[in-house]
Amino acid sequence: NAGVTQTPKFQVLKTGQSMTLQCAQDMNHNSMYWYRQDPGMGLRLIYYSASEGTTDKGEVPNGYNVSRLNKREFSLRLESAAPSQTSVYFCASGRPGLNQPQHFGDGTRLSIL
Amino acid sequence: GENVEQHPSTLSVQEGDSAVIKCTYSDSASNYFPWYKQELGKRPQLIIDIRSNVGEKKDQRIAVTLNKTAKHFSLHITETQPEDSAVYFCAASSGSARQLTFGSGTQLTVLP
Repeated sequence: NAGVTQTPKFQVLKTGQSMTLQCAQDMNHNSMYWYRQDPGMGLRLIYYSASEGTTDKGEVPNGYNVSRLNKREFSLRLESAAPSQTSVYFCASGRPGLNQPQHFGDGTRLSIL
Repeated sequence: GENVEQHPSTLSVQEGDSAVIKCTYSDSASNYFPWYKQELGKRPQLIIDIRSNVGEKKDQRIAVTLNKTAKHFSLHITETQPEDSAVYFCAASSGSARQLTFGSGTQLTVLP
């Protein structure tokens, strides 16, 4: 049982480049989430999707776009990467409060030069 | 929206001692409170959670207590071991909310 799978695990970009982070879950959850984690800080929500076909902004959505491709997959796109977006990105699935504890992927470590 | 504060930010204990981490929340509608452990370079992993209809929950050396009136909840780790060293995050969510609000984390170091 893989749970939540993220790709890639590491990535280095130059300022202005674009890329898409991929996430897939096999737990049949409706809700999926993208967080960023910066050194010494907690987890900040970027975007989430409560169900296939819907997405909503979280605390720090600027500079990002998301796509809920189907029930399993939720991608995060950086259209024009900036050094301030250097971070570790975690995908998660499972809706808290609905007997679906939230489980995280292994993360993507992204550096933008 | 919900606001979760977590204390202390760092905590050092001797192996075998107990550790307590405390969180407060602002939204009285919050009813689900998970705790996550994150080892260096790894994903956050759920270690225990509690719902508002329960005052305390235990799982071996870990326990969580909830005081709804005061709007605070705590993580208790007894007989600490070096492998308990990690960053611990608390979080809160209401039933109607679709997201968790996380505390800022506590770096726990268990000294041998």
